[in-house]
Amino acid sequence: QVQLQQSGPGLVKPSQTLSLTCVISGDSVSSDSASWNWIRQSPSGGLEWLGRTYFRSEWSTDYAESVKSRITITPDTSKNQFSLHLNSVTPEDTAVYYCARFYLTYLGGSFDPWGQGTRVTVS
Amino acid sequence: IVLTQSPGTLSLSPGEEATLSCRASESVSSTYLAWYQQKPGQAPRLLIHGASTRANGIPDRFRGSGSGTDYTLSISGLEPEDFAVYYCQQYGGSPLFSFGPGTKVDLK
Repeated sequence: QVQLQQSGPGLVKPSQTLSLTCVISGDSVSSDSASWNWIRQSPSGGLEWLGRTYFRSEWSTDYAESVKSRITITPDTSKNQFSLHLNSVTPEDTAVYYCARFYLTYLGGSFDPWGQGTRVTVS
Repeated sequence: IVLTQSPGTLSLSPGEEATLSCRASESVSSTYLAWYQQKPGQAPRLLIHGASTRANGIPDRFRGSGSGTDYTLSISGLEPEDFAVYYCQQYGGSPLFSFGPGTKVDLK
């Protein structure tokens, strides 16, 4: 059973960097059939995909245009985890942040499982 | 690709059937259309992937269907634990991943 455990601060000051980590159990961050993603949910409820990292003979990342200039997602194979760094945060970055595995099978692709979520307030 | 869900809120009683719609601004591969359930204070939970395949442990009262730009999640015989918010999600368009705004199924 794959599980994701998030950690990181719940309060970040404006202009600083938001950093969260997601520890993976039951799978590998180097899996060739998964990508490792960060998603946030605004106070109004909307879900926004932020970015992903994945390994297919080499490491790759993709980021949402809305945060592309401020975001870095990095894997750590030694600890089987991946991290989110979002710099120059503003109050608009206040949200619940989730890590999630996107898993591909012949039946389809989906986010499963999800981390427990971290409520981050920028203030 | 923009996903639009309707209705925004569905007020029903236990035992009734819920029909939730997800419409995409462009055609989405059914392979990459998923549905999630979210309850207050919890992370979203995968219900359906590949438009119609139930995830592990999901009861058969949940049924997904559709293709192209129109997808539907049906819940037959609503149980008390089914009152929640439901999101559809696509992969492969632009942006790479996007979610619909959600449909809240609440108690009438």
